[in-house]
Amino acid sequence: DGGITQSPKYLFRKEGQNVTLSCEQNLNHDAMYWYRQDPGQGLRLIYYSQIVNDFQKGDIAEGYSVSREKKESFPLTVTSAQKNPTAFYLCATEDRGSEAFFGQGTRLTVV
Amino acid sequence: AQSVSQHNHHVILSEAASLELGCNYSYGGTVNLFWYVQYPGQHLQLLLKYFSGDPLVKGIKGFEAEFIKSKFSFNLRKPSVQWSDTAEYFCAVRNRDDKIIFGKGTRLHILP
Repeated sequence: DGGITQSPKYLFRKEGQNVTLSCEQNLNHDAMYWYRQDPGQGLRLIYYSQIVNDFQKGDIAEGYSVSREKKESFPLTVTSAQKNPTAFYLCATEDRGSEAFFGQGTRLTVV
Repeated sequence: AQSVSQHNHHVILSEAASLELGCNYSYGGTVNLFWYVQYPGQHLQLLLKYFSGDPLVKGIKGFEAEFIKSKFSFNLRKPSVQWSDTAEYFCAVRNRDDKIIFGKGTRLHILP
């Protein structure tokens, strides 16, 4: 079954903890993205990667980190430095020069 | 910084009304343009896209959009909306850095 798998769907984190969101794809797409969606803010780009072992900061990278060791995987770590981490996180992939395809998202709540 | 502006944050229409959602972008070079839709509880999906050629593009579910280069605009239209069109709509642009930037979205509510 082809597609983008984000896990978990819901995640709860205590203040001061790091947490990692998973994004896996079997579409063989080169590019992968992480966006954060907040009500009234649209989708804001956190990090993106055009190729394995390379990634760039987006508009709101502070407090986040990523890795791209494999083409299929682009995990996002929300660190304790992120002051307002409660949000809906979306992972996307893109076949070079085409449109973006999205996963189902992970809703992170800080408790 | 490149940006995408969606003028209407919340639109309420009755069924069968015509729809136009505005989108403007700030980049003056070659762009790829997209409209995405997010139905309640569902993931984002592509409505339509413009890469080149005919500036009037047709998408799924009767939607269309017109690219007007001189106005840096890519407005979304539908002649007659249905209750099932209730969703959030996002305009997006791929800029010269090859990353996709999204607008803040427009919540569309269709009254039955």
